[in-house]
Amino acid sequence: NAGVTQTPKFQVLKTGQSMTLQCAQDMNHEYMSWYRQDPGMGLRLIHYSVGAGITDQGEVPNGYNVSRSTTEDFPLRLLSAAPSQTSVYFCASSRLNEQFFGPGTRLTVL
Amino acid sequence: AQTVTQSQPEMSVQEAETVTLSCTYDTSESDYYLFWYKQPPSRQMILVIRQEAYKQQNATENRFSVNFQKAAKSFSLKISDSQLGDAAMYFCAYRSAYAGGTSYGKLTFGQGTILTVHP
Repeated sequence: NAGVTQTPKFQVLKTGQSMTLQCAQDMNHEYMSWYRQDPGMGLRLIHYSVGAGITDQGEVPNGYNVSRSTTEDFPLRLLSAAPSQTSVYFCASSRLNEQFFGPGTRLTVL
Repeated sequence: AQTVTQSQPEMSVQEAETVTLSCTYDTSESDYYLFWYKQPPSRQMILVIRQEAYKQQNATENRFSVNFQKAAKSFSLKISDSQLGDAAMYFCAYRSAYAGGTSYGKLTFGQGTILTVHP
């Protein structure tokens, strides 16, 4: 039981490049989500999914796309990276009263 | 929309002493969960303690306890007998208890409090 896994752990991009942050969970949770963490702002919800084929926007969705083709996987896509997207990104999956977080990805956009 | 506020950006405590981290929140819901998460330098988010709003009894987990004041919408974390390993960023978070709604599973976080433990 690996819990929630994220790849990569670190990434440096140039402005305008695209990339996908991978997230997978093996707990059969329906709910998955992506957060970004910035200094002084806590964690903010980017996108979430309540099951395969169903996604919705969170608090800060601009510049990010998601899809959920399987229960296990929930990738986050940056279509054209901007310096404002420099952050630490967390994927999480959830059951009713507990959220399980991945180890995070530190992304730097130059 | 729910909001969570942590008004202490930084706190410090001497080893073996007690420290209290503050958290207030705003919601119109009557049933919800509140959490404290610890984030050490490793970046991993670690659940410290959880409180169900319908429970009047304050949650405790070993050296960690909360003071949950529902009417005041306050949820403070007390760390007793502080240890060097308690040094971390601490986040307070809110989650609706209404399964199936659009806010199901969504955590709303406070800004975080950096706790330093002095030997």
